Amino acid sequence: DAGVTQSPTHLIKTRGQQVTLRCSPKSGHDTVSWYQQALGQGPQFIFQYYEEEERQRGNFPDRFSGHQFPNYSSELNVNALLLGDSALYLCASSLRFNQPQHFGDGTRLSIL
Amino acid sequence: GQQLNQSPQSMFIQEGEDVSMNCTSSSIFNTWLWYKQDPGEGPVLLIALYKAGELTSNGRLTAQFGITRKDSFLNISASIPSDVGIYFCAGLPNAGNNRKLIWGLGTSLAVNP
Repeated sequence: DAGVTQSPTHLIKTRGQQVTLRCSPKSGHDTVSWYQQALGQGPQFIFQYYEEEERQRGNFPDRFSGHQFPNYSSELNVNALLLGDSALYLCASSLRFNQPQHFGDGTRLSIL
Repeated sequence: GQQLNQSPQSMFIQEGEDVSMNCTSSSIFNTWLWYKQDPGEGPVLLIALYKAGELTSNGRLTAQFGITRKDSFLNISASIPSDVGIYFCAGLPNAGNNRKLIWGLGTSLAVNP
């Protein structure tokens, strides 16, 4: 039973570029949440997708956008990258929003 | 953003000792979760709590959902070297269909063999 998988594992970009991160949820899960985790911090909620719609959003600018596909997989897009966007981006999946979330190993994004 | 108050920030213990850490909030939570994160990996769910007063064990780990619904603790008994890592509490606030998990800053655990 595959858990949550994320790709790529590492990514290096420069300021102003755009990036797309991908997530496949755990089998049987229909809800995907994205988090940003800075070094030494806990994860910060970006947004959550369910039934291909953004259901709730954290305190992140519109540069952060996402998508969920009919097979429940999801993408996180970040435009006009800033140095401060360097972080570990985590995807978590769950069955509905109020069930425990299971995490992938993240994508380490570095902005030069 | 909103964060839970998690303590202690770090712990350095001898193998075999018991460990206790806790999380508090100023508001009521419906769900408390405890995760462990190793370097280079995502958080792994240890225990989920859904009812005030609930006490749940997972091997050497025991966690409780506080009666006031504003706190939770995690105990690890007879620690071993592989317990090393960062432990996070996370909670789902009692606010309708709120979907946003709130996180503590983590407790970094080091175990001396």
